[in-house]
Amino acid sequence: KAGVTQTPRYLIKTRGQQVTLSCSPISGHRSVSWYQQTPGQGLQFLFEYFSETQRNKGNFPGRFSGRQFSNSRSEMNVSTLELGDSALYLCASSSGQGSTEAFFGQGTRLTVV
Amino acid sequence: KNQVEQSPQSLIILEGKNCTLQCNYTVSPFSNLRWYKQDTGRGPVSLTIMTFSENTKSNGRYTATLDADTKQSSLHITASQLSDSASYICVVSAPGEYGNKLVFGAGTILRVKS
Repeated sequence: KAGVTQTPRYLIKTRGQQVTLSCSPISGHRSVSWYQQTPGQGLQFLFEYFSETQRNKGNFPGRFSGRQFSNSRSEMNVSTLELGDSALYLCASSSGQGSTEAFFGQGTRLTVV
Repeated sequence: KNQVEQSPQSLIILEGKNCTLQCNYTVSPFSNLRWYKQDTGRGPVSLTIMTFSENTKSNGRYTATLDADTKQSSLHITASQLSDSASYICVVSAPGEYGNKLVFGAGTILRVKS
């Protein structure tokens, strides 16, 4: 069965622009979580969507937003990009029910110049 | 505050040698602990998962241990290979309002050289 697919794999944007990243979870999975990973910081939790509703949120500014569609695909948007937003953005899918494993996508490498 | 701390931050070993990575956590209550391997520029891939009652779990050359009393876990890699070069991340799950909440360690960067 297909894994978690993130697009695009690489992205270069300039400060002040906005960007939208996409994540298609494993078929049947209803939960999608987004993480930011920077060198030395580890994975920082952004938010989680389950059945089109945001049910958990990390400590990121309002410039970071997301949504989930009825087919469980999710998008993350970052507005007014800053240099510090340069990172690997990972999404993870799970069934969302109880204790389940999170399966990660390959990530989108965002570079802000 | 729930935290997961890993040591060492980075490690260089010769091919064929063994190594042990450490993970200490303060997450409570605790559901399970996972070790992930992340190759450069890729997403993390699960190596092992242990619940509260398990002390050890093996996956090929990878063996994870868990001491729930001292809140410590280790990942032992036997007969290392060049392909083991990666970041190893310890992740602790805590029960939350909507299922488990994951708390990530910062990872240990392992480099295996020939």
